[in-house]
Amino acid sequence: ETGVTQSPTHLIKTRGQQVTLRCSSQSGHNTVSWYQQALGQGPQFIFQYYREEENGRGNFPPRFSGLQFPNYSSELNVNALELDDSALYLCASSLGGQGITEAFFGQGTRLTVV
Amino acid sequence: QKEVEQDPGPLSVPEGAIVSLNCTYSNSAFQYFMWYRQYSRKGPELLMYTYSSGNKEDGRFTAQVDKSSKYISLFIRDSQPSDSATYLCAMGPSGSARQLTFGSGTQLTVLP
Repeated sequence: ETGVTQSPTHLIKTRGQQVTLRCSSQSGHNTVSWYQQALGQGPQFIFQYYREEENGRGNFPPRFSGLQFPNYSSELNVNALELDDSALYLCASSLGGQGITEAFFGQGTRLTVV
Repeated sequence: QKEVEQDPGPLSVPEGAIVSLNCTYSNSAFQYFMWYRQYSRKGPELLMYTYSSGNKEDGRFTAQVDKSSKYISLFIRDSQPSDSATYLCAMGPSGSARQLTFGSGTQLTVLP
């Protein structure tokens, strides 16, 4: 177990709705990254939060937004859901700052948009 | 062209075989490299992590990086049915950002 927990595990939403996904990082980690993984594909980087600030963003529209809290847990919000947003959403926890460290993933939230 | 190319397989081998999984990349900024294992409908599990050219061994797993050729490999010795999963290579640039770029994954089945 990585110590990274995500909730909920599964979610079904209707097109046009909004969704919030949650992630608790591993103890001692101050950086959280979010990824979207479509079926049969590798994860794609959405954005990263380091010490409550956005610290890099991938090629995703502004309706994907996030937040990191003082305890380093994080939320991913998606507005105006589209059918193509159906995917496994993964949260990765790491220790930011100087040097290179490993990123550990949670089990993911499977979002289905109908 | 994708920044990271990975043969999707599927790859099927008998138990005990040596498995070789490979990725190529085009971005010279990539400085550190990881291999993840992902079981069906689960999150990726970190297997190996390295940031230098050469080999790194951990039990039955060996990660190999050739930065001059922009080519990385993962070798699995004495493969077991429990190794059946999708293997993802991932890489990132140096610096404060930790954005990882993943390959599309290779699906491996080890037959008993």
